[in-house]
Parts: sequence; C-alpha cells; structure tokens
Amino acid sequence: GAGVSQTPSNKVTEKGKYVELRCDPISGHTALYWYRQSLGQGPEFLIYFQGTGAADDSGLPNDRFFAVRPEGSVSTLKIQRTERGDSAVYLCASSLTIVQNTGELFFGEGSRLTVL
Amino acid sequence: GDSVTQMEGPVTLSEEAFLTINCTYTATGYPSLFWYVQYPGEGLQLLLKATKADDKGSNKGFEATYRKETTSFHLEKGSVQVSDSAVYFCALSDNQGGKLIFGQGTELSVKP
Repeated sequence: GAGVSQTPSNKVTEKGKYVELRCDPISGHTALYWYRQSLGQGPEFLIYFQGTGAADDSGLPNDRFFAVRPEGSVSTLKIQRTERGDSAVYLCASSLTIVQNTGELFFGEGSRLTVL
Repeated sequence: GDSVTQMEGPVTLSEEAFLTINCTYTATGYPSLFWYVQYPGEGLQLLLKATKADDKGSNKGFEATYRKETTSFHLEKGSVQVSDSAVYFCALSDNQGGKLIFGQGTELSVKP
C-alpha cells in the first residue's frame, strides 16, 4: 500500500523482555516520527528523524528506549527491559520534509504494545 | 514548554446540531496550528490547519480560526453528521523543530 505501515499491529510481551516495533514510511518521505499514545490521551512525541539521523530525541522517556533509521527509510523503535507502564499504542508518522514546512504528518495505524 | 489544551469529552450531539470543540495553546514564538481526526479503526489524519494569526482553516465543513489574542483555535461545524463521530485532536508545530504537540483529544459522538 501507499500509506505508513507498522508491524506488528499487536504485541503482547512479559515484563523485562525486549521489543522491536517497525515502521515503513511513505516512499520518498524524509522525515519520520514516533509517538506514543496511552488510552484516552493524545499522541506524545518520542523522537523524529530527518533522513538517517535523529533530529530530536527529547521525548524518549529514558535510556530503555532507542530508535534507528539506518538507511533513511524503515525505522525500528527498540524498548529494552519492558515495564507495564510501557503499554500503549506506538504511532509512526512520516512527512515529505519536516512538519514545520508541510504541516502534515501521515500516520500509520499504530502498534499496540501490552506488557504483562 | 509548548502545550495544547482541549475541552474534555465525550461530546454527544444529535445529527445537524452545531459543533464547537475548544482548543487553547501555550507557545513561545509563532506556532502553526492543526486539527487532526481519528475515525474508528483508522490512523490519525489531518483535518485542517492555519499557519499564522487570523488565518482560517477549513475542510469537510469544519472551520477553525487562529486567534493569537486569545491563543485559541476552536473547531466548529454548522451541522454535524453521524459520520463525523471520531476523536479530534488539536495540535501545534513549534516552527523551530519539526514536531507536533497534541492535545488530549475530544471524542465526538453524533446520534441520528
């Protein structure tokens, strides 16, 4: 498809395990964003990439969270030693360039993470 | 830091009623303002935007005007339909970095 693709759509894991969430942005989009959305809340910014580099990672809650985008396309969000408080929907979005220029992010449907 | 505050939901209206969802913001500088919508089972999508004071964004019968003096960007629609049932998010872009900051969302339910 032509949209932002996220896998898995659903992930259930146990406390303490390692998790990877993948995002495949729209082809040609240079900017890629990760957000986290808890139930009943708005999306909370985690990190964004312009190309391969993390331009702003100020939203990552702690050093258990890490994200990469090695070739400037697909990105992986990695969570180490998961905790129950990490349970949320993790949203990926892409944009032709950074959002201050375009004003529009294209979101995927999210990866729902449940930590038991 | 920059932030967005929306009226709490859920908001329940009858079809053809007038809709207002309040949004106020706190920001340094001159942000751009957005409304995003999330329909059931779908990802967030841009509804409308305004990039400077007094601009009006509009789409699908929805409107919002960027009011710098009241730091507001209220969403309005003159006559809602059942198909407008969704969660609506107000957001701002800080125009320095590249990220959007979202409000907590307002759920709208329109009854026939």
